[in-house]
Amino acid sequence: NAGVTQTPKFQVLKTGQSMTLQCAQDMNHEYMSWYRQDPGMGLRLIHYSVGAGITDQGEVPNGYNVSRSTTEDFPLRLLSAAPSQTSVYFCASSRGTEQYFGPGTRLTVL
Amino acid sequence: ELKVEQNPLFLSMQEGKNYTIYCNYSTTSDRLYWYRQDPGKSLESLFVLLSNGAVKQEGRLMASLDTKARLSTLHITAAVHDLSATYFCAVDLGVNNAGNMLTFGGGTRLMVKP
Repeated sequence: NAGVTQTPKFQVLKTGQSMTLQCAQDMNHEYMSWYRQDPGMGLRLIHYSVGAGITDQGEVPNGYNVSRSTTEDFPLRLLSAAPSQTSVYFCASSRGTEQYFGPGTRLTVL
Repeated sequence: ELKVEQNPLFLSMQEGKNYTIYCNYSTTSDRLYWYRQDPGKSLESLFVLLSNGAVKQEGRLMASLDTKARLSTLHITAAVHDLSATYFCAVDLGVNNAGNMLTFGGGTRLMVKP
């Protein structure tokens, strides 16, 4: 199993550009989520999904969209990037108490 | 709003010494996680604590949970340099037991000196 994979690993955007961060898991987990980690801080929940077709907002959802068309994939879209979205983004999948984090995407918005 | 506070935020200790990291949280929960993060890396799961009084140990690390006091501790015994990392606790509000909604503490950066 590859576990949770994320692409790209690094990305630089200009203010106002849009992009999609990809996340996939091969463990057949129903639950997936996106977190962001700012320097020197813990992770904060952006959006989560309890299954295909079902998504909901976490603590810091503004500026981000998600969709869940399949169990495996949970992309995160930045509609119009802002410098405040410079962060490291982690995708996670889980079942019950087993939680797995992806390797992260380091995003810089200029 | 759930708040999770860790202390200390930074800990510098000598090899061979013992120390405890504290994690306080503001809302009732009976699921708490401890993670380790090395610089530039993802999170590595250390412990999942699922009930009041739960205690788990792995090597030089031992974690406990007191849900009545809303407190978890991560105790380090006879620290070694390889334990240098940032440690996070995270409280799980859960989603009907289908997954995890984690609220993280700010992290404790541990540096173990030879």
